[in-house]
Amino acid sequence: EIVLTQSPGTLSLSPGERATLSCRASQSVSSSYLAWYQQKPGQAPRLLIYGASTRATGIPDRFSGSGSGTDFTLTIRRLEPEDSAVYYCQQYGNSLWTFGQGTKVEIK
Amino acid sequence: QVQLQDSGPGLVKPSQTLSLTCTVSGGSISSGGYYWSWIRQHPGKGLEWIGNIYYSGSTYYNPSLKSRVTISIDTSKNQFSLKLSSVTAADTAVYYCARGRSGPRDFDYWGQGTLVTVSS
Repeated sequence: EIVLTQSPGTLSLSPGERATLSCRASQSVSSSYLAWYQQKPGQAPRLLIYGASTRATGIPDRFSGSGSGTDFTLTIRRLEPEDSAVYYCQQYGNSLWTFGQGTKVEIK
Repeated sequence: QVQLQDSGPGLVKPSQTLSLTCTVSGGSISSGGYYWSWIRQHPGKGLEWIGNIYYSGSTYYNPSLKSRVTISIDTSKNQFSLKLSSVTAADTAVYYCARGRSGPRDFDYWGQGTLVTVSS
């Protein structure tokens, strides 16, 4: 089973700043099968990025994904108050789907 | 617009079977290119994939839950279901149904989630 480790656990930033979230895999992940989700309190997760770098429908271009192999990054430019949420990475490999433990983004 | 609505008891007794159903609207559950999934989230914790089913009936389960999980599909009702047997307090969680996409292997539509508490 591929384990995804996200860092940092919590990110506290001001509006307008850039957030950089990391997702590291215990073994190589196909870039085609790496996704990012945003979850706000009391809500279901929302798909942000799939295929490591493709934004899902309706996602602002402030959100971008990159990476390959075992290291992937979600970048949020020009943070807005509504970006306050927990962000999860997710991968597929060997008929198993796994999620990272999440990074909480707090807006000061 | 695809919508998923999960439903089922919010309270289950220990050792009993948890049963949830997800009703899909705005699209056919028999459409190719998708799978239908259950994912859970323990209180204050991260997401745990439980399993998937394809319209053909093929299933994939999380090995850690495989011995207790059954996911089934009813194409005539546009529904799919989860059964988790022999539940304990450790199965207390919010259970989400979701639609997965076969290409990117992600989850693009989610139900609102049902909190299931295991308690006597």
